[in-house]
Amino acid sequence: DAKTTQPPSMDCAEGRAANLPCNHSTISGNEYVYWYRQIHSQGPQYIIHGLKNNETNEMASLIITEDRKSSTLILPHATLRDTAVYYCILSNTGNQFYFGTGTSLTVIP
Amino acid sequence: DTEVTQTPKHLVMGMTNKKSLKCEQHMGHRAMYWYKQKAKKPPELMFVYSYEKLSINESVPSRFSPECPNSSLLNLHLHALQPEDSALYLCASSQVGQGGQPQHFGDGTRLSIL
Repeated sequence: DAKTTQPPSMDCAEGRAANLPCNHSTISGNEYVYWYRQIHSQGPQYIIHGLKNNETNEMASLIITEDRKSSTLILPHATLRDTAVYYCILSNTGNQFYFGTGTSLTVIP
Repeated sequence: DTEVTQTPKHLVMGMTNKKSLKCEQHMGHRAMYWYKQKAKKPPELMFVYSYEKLSINESVPSRFSPECPNSSLLNLHLHALQPEDSALYLCASSQVGQGGQPQHFGDGTRLSIL
């Protein structure tokens, strides 16, 4: 069963930062937080992951609270191509991914 | 572009047919996965292979038969499927490790059962 909670949908204006929250209050000490997105008719695309520290790559930033019970994915300058379903997933091994229902992000021109 | 290649992209088959879905990766990953995704739903894990051995079967019906002939290939053999098996079937691969190993997904095979 999925162990994450995400809002079902969000809108963001093009060019603005998109902040996507994820609640994982029952996370265990060795579980990583992964973020993926899925654009219609494509497979899920890996974005970023982290364990305790905040992480940044060329696509996004991941902010994990100190108690690790929630996290936020930040897309710094959203474009129309960022419109997708975003999934937050917990896994300790990386071998078992149980997707939650995700957040459908719509970037508005 | 995805580094995990799935063929065919689309497949239509009758309930009595036998067909196979194929997945290939050349990233040196030793873990491979099959997921099933129904329309407007999240992907659901079906099978996990680690070092070419089946390590997880999420109680998938026997009409779905996975096979991992080598470290680069993963097959899903289909037989006597039902209309409710119509879905997008996704393959993924990753390094085997203690964690922090992201999975890389293909774009899937869209299967329709008549």
